[in-house]
Amino acid sequence: EVQLVESGGGLVKSGGSLRLSCAASGFTFSSYSMNWVRQAPGKGLEWVSSITSTSSYKYYADSVRGRFTISRDNAKRSLYLQMSSLRVDDSAVYYCAKTGGLEGSGDNYFDSWGQGTLVTVSS
Amino acid sequence: EVVLTQSPATLSVSPGDGASLSCRASQSVLGRLAWYQQKPGQAPRLLIYDISIRATGIPARFSASGFGTDFTLTISSLQSEDFGVYYCQQYNDWVPWTFGQGTKVEIK
Repeated sequence: EVQLVESGGGLVKSGGSLRLSCAASGFTFSSYSMNWVRQAPGKGLEWVSSITSTSSYKYYADSVRGRFTISRDNAKRSLYLQMSSLRVDDSAVYYCAKTGGLEGSGDNYFDSWGQGTLVTVSS
Repeated sequence: EVVLTQSPATLSVSPGDGASLSCRASQSVLGRLAWYQQKPGQAPRLLIYDISIRATGIPARFSASGFGTDFTLTISSLQSEDFGVYYCQQYNDWVPWTFGQGTKVEIK
């Protein structure tokens, strides 16, 4: 059974930094692209960032590019999101999500999700 | 960026009735569309991918169709556990992957 467990969320002041982690189990972590998706309180889902299996490629939403950095450690089966220059509108539940298809398939839907970690940015 | 527009925003349905949810894309996404269900306080769950393929463990009362820019998720005979918010997501256009704003299915 696929399990994704996020951690690292919390309360931070505007301009501050935070590092999110996602521990993965139940699948061959090193074979799949991984993603971060966020959801502001009472709002819809927003894709934030993706990283390919060997970290060769990293992609970001315009809203976070230059401030957030995605990374992974395949030996530790872990995904990370380093967030800096945080803004109030970055406040959200951040979900770690596994890409459904194998790389190169184009199947970039999200077939497994963690329970999420809440990030609150105060002014 | 592909914009997905879901309708209606809210759908009131009696248990046992059917429901149809719409997702319209601002440009063709070919067959690369997925549907998710989210219940309050929970993470989203993948229901459907590649327009109409049910994810593992998803009951047959969930079906979906469409192609290009117009897609439909149909839930036949709604059960109590089916109430929640449903999102469509496209993955044809390269990043950003985008989601619709959601349709809330509530008990009538």
